[in-house]
Amino acid sequence: NAGVMQNPRHLVRRRGQEARLRCSPVKGHSHVYWYRQLPEEGLKFMVYLQKENIIDESGMPKERFSAEFPKEGPSILRIQQVVRGDSAAYFCASSPGAPNTGELFFGEGSRLTVL
Amino acid sequence: AQSVTQLGSHVSVSEGALVLLRCNYSSSVPPYLFWYVQYPNQGLQLLLKYTSAATLVKGINGFEAEFKKSETSFHLTKPSAHMSDAAEYFCAAHTGTASKLTFGTGTRLQVTL
Repeated sequence: NAGVMQNPRHLVRRRGQEARLRCSPVKGHSHVYWYRQLPEEGLKFMVYLQKENIIDESGMPKERFSAEFPKEGPSILRIQQVVRGDSAAYFCASSPGAPNTGELFFGEGSRLTVL
Repeated sequence: AQSVTQLGSHVSVSEGALVLLRCNYSSSVPPYLFWYVQYPNQGLQLLLKYTSAATLVKGINGFEAEFKKSETSFHLTKPSAHMSDAAEYFCAAHTGTASKLTFGTGTRLQVTL
């Protein structure tokens, strides 16, 4: 079984450009989470989505960041007009049900570098 | 608000020595607790989890952790370190009613000969 697939693994953007990060969850998982990891820091929760719904976006910056998980296709994390401070590793995770007691399955991350 | 604290951002042990990575949580309700490991340039992999069953939890690769409610701790241990254990370890907590895992800042484990 394929795990969580993220692409691209590495992305370089210039300031002001857009970054799109994709995440295909484990087959059968309908819950997706995005986390951001800055150097020397832990993972910071960004957003939790189910198919076509944003459940919790309390960790998302108010501007420039958006996420979706359409009925068909991967989840997308979109960052508009990137700035240097957006440089980080972005991890997607999925779970088969609500995140009560189960583990999250993580992808290998997308590393964004903003020049 | 729930928080997870990992004491020691870097821990170095000799191969064969005891590994002890510390994690304390603050939560108003009994949490579910997890330890994840991250190898360089990879995602996180679950080592073990506590979900209110046995307080001593055994995980993969010889790791185990003990939930101590009185100390609000969930320290990770391994009796004998191996070079392949060198990685970053994250403690995480979930209250069961929240929609997200809260992670500690991580502890980088170095294993020396």
